[in-house]
Amino acid sequence: AQSVTQLGSHVSVSEGALVLLRCNYSSSVPPYLFWYVQYPNQGLQLLLKYTTGATLVKGINGFEAEFKKSETSFHLTKPSAHMSDAAEYFCAVTPSYNQGGKLIFGQGTELSVKP
Amino acid sequence: DAGVTQSPTHLIKTRGQHVTLRCSPISGHKSVSWYQQVLGQGPQFIFQYYEKEERGRGNFPDRFSARQFPNYSSELNVNALLLGDSALYLCASSQTSFENIQYFGAGTRLSVL
Repeated sequence: AQSVTQLGSHVSVSEGALVLLRCNYSSSVPPYLFWYVQYPNQGLQLLLKYTTGATLVKGINGFEAEFKKSETSFHLTKPSAHMSDAAEYFCAVTPSYNQGGKLIFGQGTELSVKP
Repeated sequence: DAGVTQSPTHLIKTRGQHVTLRCSPISGHKSVSWYQQVLGQGPQFIFQYYEKEERGRGNFPDRFSARQFPNYSSELNVNALLLGDSALYLCASSQTSFENIQYFGAGTRLSVL
């Protein structure tokens, strides 16, 4: 069965520093991969998604992620962290093409940004 | 346009009680999915409904049930509440059952005492 692992439950960076949040998926290549962000007391907001084509995906708020099949990874990056980026980030996949309504999430990474 | 709305925002119940959570999808969306997010963990899939039919079920006991109405809104019901059911319950909607982009509501926080 498909699963998602996010390395590091807490990541702390300084404002202006590179943000790198790690995500690995298991078994076969999932059809779709996502990153969602969750601010305190709010639902999840889609940052970006990968379906097919270019492996480097650009999302909102300056985030991007690269799909690397050989490494079974879909890491999220942002060149320069901003205080407003502090939130919980979730990597997710769909298990198959006809199960778009079912997302499998990682356990999440809490990002802290120090001034 | 209104996003996905969930009610109530917060709920406190005692063990053994029953609870009903409600979700209204984005206008024009026909698919609704429910997730449970326990504190400190990622959301876990509970159900998906599309056109009033169940299209997917996660690994949850039969105490959990759901339904979808003709206007595509949905209810999640949990019977015989346990302390472990305390969580944030998220509803997400999408245009179709296979649409891969889901839009989430702010959730209902359920506390079971």
